[in-house]
Amino acid sequence: QQQVKQSPQSLIVQKGGISIINCAYENTAFDYFPWYQQFPGKGPALLIAIRPDVSEKKEGRFTISFNKSAKQFSLHIMDSQPGDSATYFCAASITGANNLFFGTGTRLTVIP
Amino acid sequence: SAVISQKPSRDICQRGTSLTIQCQVDSQVTMMFWYRQQPGQSLTLIATANQGSEATYESGFVIDKFPISRPNLTFSTLTVSNMSPEDSSIYLCSGLGVPSGSPGELFFGEGSRLTVL
Repeated sequence: QQQVKQSPQSLIVQKGGISIINCAYENTAFDYFPWYQQFPGKGPALLIAIRPDVSEKKEGRFTISFNKSAKQFSLHIMDSQPGDSATYFCAASITGANNLFFGTGTRLTVIP
Repeated sequence: SAVISQKPSRDICQRGTSLTIQCQVDSQVTMMFWYRQQPGQSLTLIATANQGSEATYESGFVIDKFPISRPNLTFSTLTVSNMSPEDSSIYLCSGLGVPSGSPGELFFGEGSRLTVL
């Protein structure tokens, strides 16, 4: 059973456009929601994370929007650049637990 | 931030053989984990590597197939035993750099890409 559902599976965006990736979860005990960025041949790297006590977190061009009642969160990449082309994974965990549940990933391609 | 080194970075193995992957962290981490990432798919936790004791395995993974060691805070190994083509995957070592109970950053190595013929 997939604990975190992610969509779309792939996304193509023009340079300068907005990339939006969505995730949904069922377990209301989750209290930490990170996004990881993975380039080909590399391990995932933490991009940005949010806790459910806030509805939005912004770091540069990257923003997480969090909707606790809908149990959904999304990543917005503003002014998308070709260098943003990578696979993005959302994830969720419970503070104190070891496991980080990953979404299925979104392969983003930003066209110059 | 922690830097995690894995080796080998890739290998091609014959069916029925075993391969040990090594993971070295450049600073102490509280927790170390092993993940599997099948081609084009998400990451699945194999086990938590416990220092000086048996690893804690997730459902679907067993010690006989994936023995893990962690002799100290900065080093761990994962062995993929009696390999079959279904074991072809990327195996990722990861570490948590803050005490358990905090939403700390999970660092990943670059992965070991195994192909089993």
